[in-house]
Amino acid sequence: GEDVEQSLFLSVREGDSSVINCTYTDSSSTYLYWYKQEPGAGLQLLTYIFSNMDMKQDQRLTVLLNKKDKHLSLRIADTQTGDSAIYFCAERTSGTYKYIFGTGTRLKVLA
Amino acid sequence: SQTIHQWPATLVQPVGSPLSLECTVEGTSNPNLYWYRQAAGRGLQLLFYSIGIDQISSEVPQNLSASRPQDRQFILSSKKLLLSDSGFYLCAWSVSPQMNTEAFFGQGTRLTVV
Repeated sequence: GEDVEQSLFLSVREGDSSVINCTYTDSSSTYLYWYKQEPGAGLQLLTYIFSNMDMKQDQRLTVLLNKKDKHLSLRIADTQTGDSAIYFCAERTSGTYKYIFGTGTRLKVLA
Repeated sequence: SQTIHQWPATLVQPVGSPLSLECTVEGTSNPNLYWYRQAAGRGLQLLFYSIGIDQISSEVPQNLSASRPQDRQFILSSKKLLLSDSGFYLCAWSVSPQMNTEAFFGQGTRLTVV
């Protein structure tokens, strides 16, 4: 079955890079998403990657995908205090309707 | 443009009372609709999803139910709330699963069962 796992907490200093990790289990053609949740709010999509890609970069965000190990990471360069939030990894098999989310990683940025 | 509305934003209900949370989507037709629950330390759990009116799939057996009386309306209900039903409930929508489509989320309802 589908399962997505993340570490629960990450703390970094302002200006450093943050790396948030995720592992997934689905081996089919898969879309993998990164969402950000501000306190008390819904989720906003940050970026996504399809399972036939290895990397995607979007401004300060870099997504790396290791298909062999089913490992996904989100790197945030020059982390700012405004990046403090919960980050969710999610997967969806192409052609299906279900988005399976991980536990979320709470990122705390120290000034 | 498409928007999703969820209400109420917060709710405090006694154990054993009924529940009705409503979600509506504007600006799109025949969306796929979802109810998720976020509990502390347990991430985002998919409760129900619907690909059309009266087509609802339940992911987790529990005392909650979902209904879709109209194309763009999704309702989460319970006849008798339990303490364990407390959490943050999120409604979401998406379009065709053949495309690279994200799920769009509402602002959530914080439910506290006392």
